[in-house]
Amino acid sequence: ILNVEQSPQSLHVQEGDSTNFTCSFPSSNFYALHWYRWETAKSPEALFVMTLNGDEKKKGRISATLNTKEGYSYLYIKGSQPEDSATYLCAFRNTGNQFYFGTGTSLTVIP
Amino acid sequence: GAGVSQSPSNKVTEKGKDVELRCDPISGHTALYWYRQSLGQGLEFLIYFQGNSAPDKSGLPSDRFSAERTGGSVSTLTIQRTQQEDSAVYLCASSLTSQSNQPQHFGDGTRLSIL
Repeated sequence: ILNVEQSPQSLHVQEGDSTNFTCSFPSSNFYALHWYRWETAKSPEALFVMTLNGDEKKKGRISATLNTKEGYSYLYIKGSQPEDSATYLCAFRNTGNQFYFGTGTSLTVIP
Repeated sequence: GAGVSQSPSNKVTEKGKDVELRCDPISGHTALYWYRQSLGQGLEFLIYFQGNSAPDKSGLPSDRFSAERTGGSVSTLTIQRTQQEDSAVYLCASSLTSQSNQPQHFGDGTRLSIL
């Protein structure tokens, strides 16, 4: 069984706070690490696809880092807004083109 | 729209019946993926297609599950002799290619309920 772990499971923050989540994955057979944002009643939306150790990606107030040697990725949200409330999923893609998703971090931003 | 389209959006059927779920990927996307999410669980990878070919079917939960893709476009996931544990949301995603840097674009899913 291949484990992709996300922490914390859920998070409540005040509007304006910055926050971060962790995704841990196997350090072997790495091909890519994906981050998705999943709002209730919508389909998952791609945030980042990261392929190289040391990758850092940024999209507006959201950024992510990748460490393939130790098997973790961090997602950061700066100055959280209520519209950031969603479940954030990471997915590990191995060299066999199989995807393994974590169970997500549920973020609630309180106005 | 130009997104991934799945049908039906909801399906309720009796145990033992066969069901067919359809996914229409974004035009031009060569890679297509099927997942399911059972209640309280994360997304479970089922199978992926590169063109019409599925290189690895080991993610399918049992031999009651099969999938095909024709014309490099539409894919169907078929579940034969459905069981209650098959109840889940089945999600389809497509990407332009299966290269490592390609994100997946998801459909809205089919919610399958087995009575």
